[in-house]
Amino acid sequence: DGGITQSPKYLFRKEGQNVTLSCEQNLNHDAMYWYRQDPGQGLRLIYYSQIVNDFQKGDIAEGYSVSREKKESFPLTVTSAQKNPTAFYLCASKGLAETQETQYFGPGTRLLVL
Amino acid sequence: EDQVTQSPEALRLQEGESSSLNCSYTVSGLRGLFWYRQDPGKGPEFLFTLYSAGEEKEKERLKATLTKKESFLHITAPKPEDSATYLCAVRDRDFNKFYFGSGTKLNVKP
Repeated sequence: DGGITQSPKYLFRKEGQNVTLSCEQNLNHDAMYWYRQDPGQGLRLIYYSQIVNDFQKGDIAEGYSVSREKKESFPLTVTSAQKNPTAFYLCASKGLAETQETQYFGPGTRLLVL
Repeated sequence: EDQVTQSPEALRLQEGESSSLNCSYTVSGLRGLFWYRQDPGKGPEFLFTLYSAGEEKEKERLKATLTKKESFLHITAPKPEDSATYLCAVRDRDFNKFYFGSGTKLNVKP
């Protein structure tokens, strides 16, 4: 089945620790995105990438880092500089052609601080 | 700045009671308005894309419409399984960047 997988489903972070969230897609999409979702708020863009080895900051990139070494993978690292990391993190992907207008989402990772 | 506002924040309906959700937007160069359904603890599921004023799309009990300033998601004779948060998003002239509203949480009581 084609789709987007995120792991783990739940992640616990200790203070001062960096943690990495995984996102993999087998849809052959060029563009990938990371969003953060807090209760009562919409999805906010952290980073996005339209091609391997290139990515752009979104609206709330501070305290986060990404890499895009393979087309299928776009991992997100939540660094110790992110002081309020507790949230639901969503990865999405999309083709770049004009006929591929839809973003598809993974199941999400919930990050909690110990 | 591009903005998307959804109302109401929450909506409680009786089964069979039709209603509408609103999504108003300000965007420089709309390249699509998207509706998603999100169940608790899950990723958003795509419903519709609308591109131009006057466009309408339907799926089962849902119908989405678009004007130059807003979109409506009409729910006809809802069932309890329609309970979810409905998200609206717009894509601007940057083409591959999306802006989301905060959603409307719909609760349909049997």
